[in-house]
Amino acid sequence: GAVVSQHPSRVICKSGTSVKIECRSLDFQATTMFWYRQFPKQSLMLMATSNEGSKATYEQGVEKDKFLINHASLTLSTLTVTSAHPEDSSFYICSASSGRATNEQYFGPGTRLTVT
Amino acid sequence: GQNIDQPTEMTATEGAIVQINCTYQTSGFNGLFWYQQHAGEAPTFLSYNVLDGLEEKGRFSSFLSRSKGYSYLLLKELQMKDSASYLCAVRGPGGSYIPTFGRGTSLIVHP
Repeated sequence: GAVVSQHPSRVICKSGTSVKIECRSLDFQATTMFWYRQFPKQSLMLMATSNEGSKATYEQGVEKDKFLINHASLTLSTLTVTSAHPEDSSFYICSASSGRATNEQYFGPGTRLTVT
Repeated sequence: GQNIDQPTEMTATEGAIVQINCTYQTSGFNGLFWYQQHAGEAPTFLSYNVLDGLEEKGRFSSFLSRSKGYSYLLLKELQMKDSASYLCAVRGPGGSYIPTFGRGTSLIVHP
């Protein structure tokens, strides 16, 4: 089956620093990747949708200058949290879709970000 | 927009059957998903319904009624490992194939 990896799985950073999270589709070409954020006991909230080679589409209320998304290839998308603050601490999950007539998104294992 | 409602928490006994309900209100409908998510892990796909009726897949079944805006996930022969959060997600109208997730139902299975 389709496998999506994320790196790192956990990261702790100091307030004001930037953190990059990678999302890779290991055995298929992901024309579209999605980035979600999930706070404890809350639902997955879609942050942005990225298509390979084009700018990401951000959901309302998500700051594009704070959450930089790059989808440079069909197997890699990155999310950079710039100038992180403690309120950015959350579980960040990516998912990937091959973009064909598929009903499934394949989720990565998630990245736990803690900003101190 | 879309509004998805699920119970926050449910408990059940090992070996029993449990039904997790999901109601939704959308301006259009293009399919409903159920995902299982263990704590600290990513969601895993369980089922997808786009037509009315019951879809059975092993111990798990999913039902959809589009006219009622209602779905349920049925788990049979519960096992301890079924303790997890179960997310209902609805795909919107038109060309948008990105589903909106409900808050999830935390299921606790006890001996």
